[in-house]
Amino acid sequence: DGGITQSPKYLFRKEGQNVTLSCEQNLNHDAMYWYRQDPGQGLRLIYYSQIVNDFQKGDIAEGYSVSREKKESFPLTVTSAQKNPTAFYLCASSGHYLSSGANVLTFGAGSRLTVL
Amino acid sequence: GQQLNQSPQSMFIQEGEDVSMNCTSSSIFNTWLWYKQDPGEGPVLLIALYKAGELTSNGRLTAQFGITRKDSFLNISASIPSDVGIYFCAGRENAGNMLTFGGGTRLMVKP
Repeated sequence: DGGITQSPKYLFRKEGQNVTLSCEQNLNHDAMYWYRQDPGQGLRLIYYSQIVNDFQKGDIAEGYSVSREKKESFPLTVTSAQKNPTAFYLCASSGHYLSSGANVLTFGAGSRLTVL
Repeated sequence: GQQLNQSPQSMFIQEGEDVSMNCTSSSIFNTWLWYKQDPGEGPVLLIALYKAGELTSNGRLTAQFGITRKDSFLNISASIPSDVGIYFCAGRENAGNMLTFGGGTRLMVKP
């Protein structure tokens, strides 16, 4: 079955450490996204990528970095510069941004990061 | 930037009751989507709307694309405990624009 796989599901980090969250999709989607969700809050866009080897900052990119070396993969690194990294992180993908397939985002199951 | 106001923020209802929630935008959208997020999971698409006035059902769920194209509504009939979760609306102006998400409606159902 096609879908998006995020790993790990739960991650604990000490202050000052960088961590990388994995996101892999086998939907042959061009675009991929990372969102952050805080308790009781909506979704805030961190980074997105419309095509391989290209990505754009979202609304809250500070303290995060991404890469898009392969169509299937869009890892997110939470750096030590992120002041409040404890949150639920969601990866999503969609069709090409100019196509009707871009209308619908498919989400992964999320990764919960806790900073100790 | 875009803003989507989703209301209510939360609802606590009795099993069997009907539920209504809505989203309003500051500009015209060409696409409206409704997602449900179960606790600890990613959002799952419930209904997609692409035309003003469109009314679409998915089981006990019914969503409408407002005539003004600035709002959308989601109704759940005869709620059951598994309806618990957060419901998000999302909208898109045109091709090339990002989806904008509402703040979510947290639904709690008392058996």
